[in-house]
Amino acid sequence: KAGVTQTPRYLIKTRGQQVTLSCSPISGHRSVSWYQQTPGQGLQFLFEYFSETQRNKGNFPGRFSGRQFSNSRSEMNVSTLELGDSALYLCASSFSGSQETQYFGPGTRLLVL
Amino acid sequence: QQQVKQSPQSLIVQKGGISIINCAYENTAFDYFPWYQQFPGKGPALLIAIRPDVSEKKEGRFTISFNKSAKQFSLHIMDSQPGDSATYFCAASDRPGNTGKLIFGQGTTLQVKP
Repeated sequence: KAGVTQTPRYLIKTRGQQVTLSCSPISGHRSVSWYQQTPGQGLQFLFEYFSETQRNKGNFPGRFSGRQFSNSRSEMNVSTLELGDSALYLCASSFSGSQETQYFGPGTRLLVL
Repeated sequence: QQQVKQSPQSLIVQKGGISIINCAYENTAFDYFPWYQQFPGKGPALLIAIRPDVSEKKEGRFTISFNKSAKQFSLHIMDSQPGDSATYFCAASDRPGNTGKLIFGQGTTLQVKP
């Protein structure tokens, strides 16, 4: 089976812009979680989608949003980018999202200038 | 209460030695504890996971020890190899309904010297 894929792998944006990141889960997986990874804060949960519905949300501002399509592919969007949004954004997929192995993609590295 | 505290931040071990990474938590509702391994340029990958009904779980050279009363758990890597050099994260999840959410420790960078 193909693993979790994320596009693009690298992005450079400027403050105030918006960005959309894409995640394709492992075939058959319906749950997609997003995480932000930074040296200072580590890995932090953003949100989780299942069957096109957001089921869980972390403590991030409303500038961070996401969606999931009928084929389980997911996108996350960050509007009005701030310097502090520079991070590695990881998505992870699993069958149900309930205390089971999460398979991570390689991440999208976002640099905000 | 939602935190998982991990130590040490970095660890250097000789080839063949034992690597030990510790994690502690406060939320007694946590009931699923996975360990992830991350190599540079890659996403984290599950190594091994444990639930609080067992005190130890072993898979190959990797062992999780779990102390429910102390709210601590640790990863032991036996016969450490240079290929084990990576960043290791402990994590926790507090209930099946808290879907898709893992709370991670800060990570431990392990270097195994040949």
